[in-house]
Amino acid sequence: EVQLLESGGGLVQPGGSLRLSCAASGFTFSGCVMNWVRQTPGKGLEWVSSLTSNGHYTYYADSVKGRFTISRDNSKNTLYLQLNSLRAEDTAIYYCAKLSDSSGPTDYWGQGTLVAVSS
Amino acid sequence: QSVLTQPPSASATPGQRVTISCSGSSSNIGSNYVYWYQQLPGTAPRLLIYRNDQRPSGVPDRFSGSKSGTSASLAISGLRSEDEADYHCTAWDDSLSARVFGGGTKLTVL
Repeated sequence: EVQLLESGGGLVQPGGSLRLSCAASGFTFSGCVMNWVRQTPGKGLEWVSSLTSNGHYTYYADSVKGRFTISRDNSKNTLYLQLNSLRAEDTAIYYCAKLSDSSGPTDYWGQGTLVAVSS
Repeated sequence: QSVLTQPPSASATPGQRVTISCSGSSSNIGSNYVYWYQQLPGTAPRLLIYRNDQRPSGVPDRFSGSKSGTSASLAISGLRSEDEADYHCTAWDDSLSARVFGGGTKLTVL
């Protein structure tokens, strides 16, 4: 059974930092491009960042570029997202996901972890 | 302001057919595949359509996708009450080097 289990969310003050983790199992994590996608409660989805399978290439939404860092440890089947200089508008549920792409329909999502930025 | 434009809401009665549009540009929908997701309240999104018009196994053939130029559509026929959900379109954008989403469409089954 495929599982993506996020952790590390919580309440943080503006300007603070958090590190999200996503533990993967049930599929070949090391062969997949992995993503973080966020969703403000009651609103649409926003792609945050992608990381290639070998960890060499990263992509970020303009809204988080320079503040967030995506990384992975294929030996631990774990994806990370370091969130720095957090703002109120970063408040959202953060999903770890293997998104379907041109290679096929394989698509996995975690249950999400809530990040709340507030003083 | 989302890069892809979807109507915020749609509604129809059981048994009817409903279509949800997704409008983009030459750098996203016009040159890349479109994907559609269904999201029930309190759950993670579920893939409905990949590569514009392909259904993953387990998705009923009541759901269909299409693309023309810089726009895409999701059609749901034989509408059921359990189809009441949020629907999201997404595609890669070559200019932004980013995956972009629509703002989502809330479908109400009357």
